[in-house]
Parts: sequence; structure tokens; C-alpha cells
Amino acid sequence: EIVLTQSPGTLSLSPGERATLSCRASQSVSSSNLAWYQQKPGQAPRLLIYGASNRATGIPDRFSGSGSGTDFTLTISRLEPEDFAVYYCQQYGSSPRSFGQGTKLEIK
Amino acid sequence: EVQLVQSGAEVKKPGESLKISCKGSGYSFTTYWIGWVRQMPGKGLEWMGIIYPGDSDTRYSPSFQGQVTISADKSISTAYLQWSSLRASDTAMYYCARHAGSGYYPYWGQGSLVTVSS
Repeated sequence: EIVLTQSPGTLSLSPGERATLSCRASQSVSSSNLAWYQQKPGQAPRLLIYGASNRATGIPDRFSGSGSGTDFTLTISRLEPEDFAVYYCQQYGSSPRSFGQGTKLEIK
Repeated sequence: EVQLVQSGAEVKKPGESLKISCKGSGYSFTTYWIGWVRQMPGKGLEWMGIIYPGDSDTRYSPSFQGQVTISADKSISTAYLQWSSLRASDTAMYYCARHAGSGYYPYWGQGSLVTVSS
């Protein structure tokens, strides 16, 4: 089973700043089958990125994903107020699928 | 428009059984995997398992194998998650989500809150 470790646990930044979130896998994620989700309180998760670097439909281009193998990154180029939320990575390259424990992005 | 509509909140006692549902619409229900995801209060997302409604092929996370049963009724485009004997530790929000590609989730239900308390 692939374990995903996200860092940092909490990231405190101001609107307009750049956010870099990390997701490290315990084994290589095949074919870059890694996705990122955003979750706000009281809401279901929202898909941001799939295939490590492909933005989902309707996702602003300030969100970008990169990485391969065991190290993946979600970057938000310029934070907007609505971006403060919890972010999860998910691998779907092997079974069982798994999620990281999440990174909380909070307003500084 | 793809929609997943889940059944409402449930309050149950330990030892009781429960079956929650997830009705899909706006797409061919039998040709996409549906997954179930648990979120315990204040915690992260946990992948529970998936089902292919076309032939009811089901896969479970080892953490949930034997603890829950995933099923589907393709005649009414509905997937289910059920427990035979609930525990307090089953208290959580449960989401269904539809696959795309190899297994990421662009479509989510609104969640079903299950509370187990004596």
C-alpha cells in the first residue's frame, strides 16, 4: 500500500503570496497517477489536478501541479482569499488508492 | 450534468445496521467506477473501496475489508455502503465519488453524515 505524506501540515501565508505544497509517496506512483483536491469546511472535496499536472475543468491557471515518481508538488502562484482551505493529494496508480493526510492553508 | 445524490444524515445506536445510498444521474451509470471515502470528524480523507456497477466488481481497502459492504443496483443507478453492526468509531461523513480516467474523482456526492451513539 502506498502511503502519501504531505508537508507542511499547516501553511500560513497572505493573499498574493505563492504557496508550495508537497506530497511524498512511500513508493513510486505509476504513470504519475496523482491528483490534488481542495476541501473547504462543510463541502465535498473538489478536484484541482489529475495526472500530476493536468488542471481539472474550470480550475484557474494559478493552480499548477508537478512531479513524478515519489515527489509531487502543488503550487498556487498568487493566493486569492478563496484559496484558503485544506488540500489533499491522492494516488490512483496502485490499489488500494490512498490520500495524503492533508495540508491546511491558512491566512497569515 | 453528472450528479451524485446521497441519502440523508443518520443517527444510529451501536450494533445497529445501516445502508446509505448514492444515486448517479447524467451519465451511463454502469460504465464508471464509484468509490466511497470516509472523513471522520476533523480528520482527513480515507479511501474505502470502489464498485463497477456494470458487473458489481468490488475492491476494498484492507482497512475496510470485512467492516463494510459496497454494492450497487444498476436498475436504479444507485450505489450503496452498508454496515451490519455499527460502532461509535463509524461516526463520520461518507462521500461517494465517480471515477474518471484511472481513478481520480471529478464528481462527488454531497456526503452522508453517520452518527453512532448510545
